[in-house]
Amino acid sequence: DAMVIQNPRYQVTQFGKPVTLSCSQTLNHNVMYWYQQKSSQAPKLLFHYYDKDFNNEADTPDNFQSRRPNTSFCFLDIRSPGLGDAAMYLCATSRIYNEQFFGPGTRLTVL
Amino acid sequence: EDQVTQSPEALRLQEGESSSLNCSYTVSGLRGLFWYRQDPGKGPEFLFTLYSAGEEKEKERLKATLTKKESFLHITAPKPEDSATYLCAVQITGTASKLTFGTGTRLQVTL
Repeated sequence: DAMVIQNPRYQVTQFGKPVTLSCSQTLNHNVMYWYQQKSSQAPKLLFHYYDKDFNNEADTPDNFQSRRPNTSFCFLDIRSPGLGDAAMYLCATSRIYNEQFFGPGTRLTVL
Repeated sequence: EDQVTQSPEALRLQEGESSSLNCSYTVSGLRGLFWYRQDPGKGPEFLFTLYSAGEEKEKERLKATLTKKESFLHITAPKPEDSATYLCAVQITGTASKLTFGTGTRLQVTL
């Protein structure tokens, strides 16, 4: 089945220790997104790629970076995680203007 | 400013007790309105897309409708497995594929 895969599902890191989350897709969609979702809140868009074009949201902290080496993969790097970065990180994909399909998410814990 | 508001925040129903969830929006221009279901600890699951006022979509016990100011998700004779958070999101013209989410309605269906 075509899908969006996120690894790991759970990630524990220490305050200030860099962490990388990964997302892959078999849907061959040209747009990929990263969202941050905290408990009982709406998903918050961090950035998205349209093909290789990177689009950063104005309020995304510089601490968050992303890479998309090819159509299928996208990475979220958190350079120096703080306690406030503990959240669920969601990857999604879509064809442009169409519905987004989400992965299962990575739950990040910062100690 | 573009806004999406969902009500109620939480809803508890008995099995078989039909109800509606509301998503009201104030946006500069609507390209589409999306409904998602999210189970605890998982990524949102796509349900429906609505594009124009008067449009309706149905899937099993769920029916989504759209007016120029709001959308409703009607749940007919719900079952306990319908318990989840239901998210509404809008795609605004001129913002490519970005979605702006509401904070969701947490639905609990009891026996």
